[in-house]
Amino acid sequence: DGGITQSPKYLFRKEGQNVTLSCEQNLNHDAMYWYRQDPGQGLRLIYYSQIVNDFQKGDIAEGYSVSREKKESFPLTVTSAQKNPTAFYLCASTATGANYNEQFFGPGTRLTVL
Amino acid sequence: KNQVEQSPQSLIILEGKNCTLQCNYTVSPFSNLRWYKQDTGRGPVSLTIMTFSENTKSNGRYTATLDADTKQSSLHITASQLSDSASYICVVSERTTDSWGKLQFGAGTQVVVTP
Repeated sequence: DGGITQSPKYLFRKEGQNVTLSCEQNLNHDAMYWYRQDPGQGLRLIYYSQIVNDFQKGDIAEGYSVSREKKESFPLTVTSAQKNPTAFYLCASTATGANYNEQFFGPGTRLTVL
Repeated sequence: KNQVEQSPQSLIILEGKNCTLQCNYTVSPFSNLRWYKQDTGRGPVSLTIMTFSENTKSNGRYTATLDADTKQSSLHITASQLSDSASYICVVSERTTDSWGKLQFGAGTQVVVTP
């Protein structure tokens, strides 16, 4: 059963805490992405990684960090420096060089700051 | 300013009726345009992808059109079903020199199909 999994589905955080969102894919895709989705807005890119041990900042990277130690995994850490972290977070992956670079999305993690 | 604008923001339609969603973009240079369906609390799922040379593409009851000259696209839903209730997102890819192809996302049109 191939695809992208994200965990947890719901996450609650107290102010000042760091939290890590998990993203795993078994599609053998090279590139992985993290997006943030807020009501009434389009998805915004946080970080992306095209190969293992390399990643690039997206449009809204401040307050977030990532790692890419394995091809299958691209965890996102929301740090206490992120002032408004409550949002729906989506992970995606694509096979670089594939037609149209079609992105496949995971089911998402909803993060709420208490 | 968002480079991908969708309208309407939301719409309600009766089951069995048709509807059309609009997408206008300013992304340049253009590579391709995609329509995604996103159920509430889930990740988006691709419906169609069109390049510059394609002006229509269908996926079951979903038909997308593209006018690259006017930078407009539409998504037509035929004989709507309750399961069509979702947000429909227009995504435009910039043509880049590397394989990255940065995506620009519209805010989506929320469709509610009522019995």
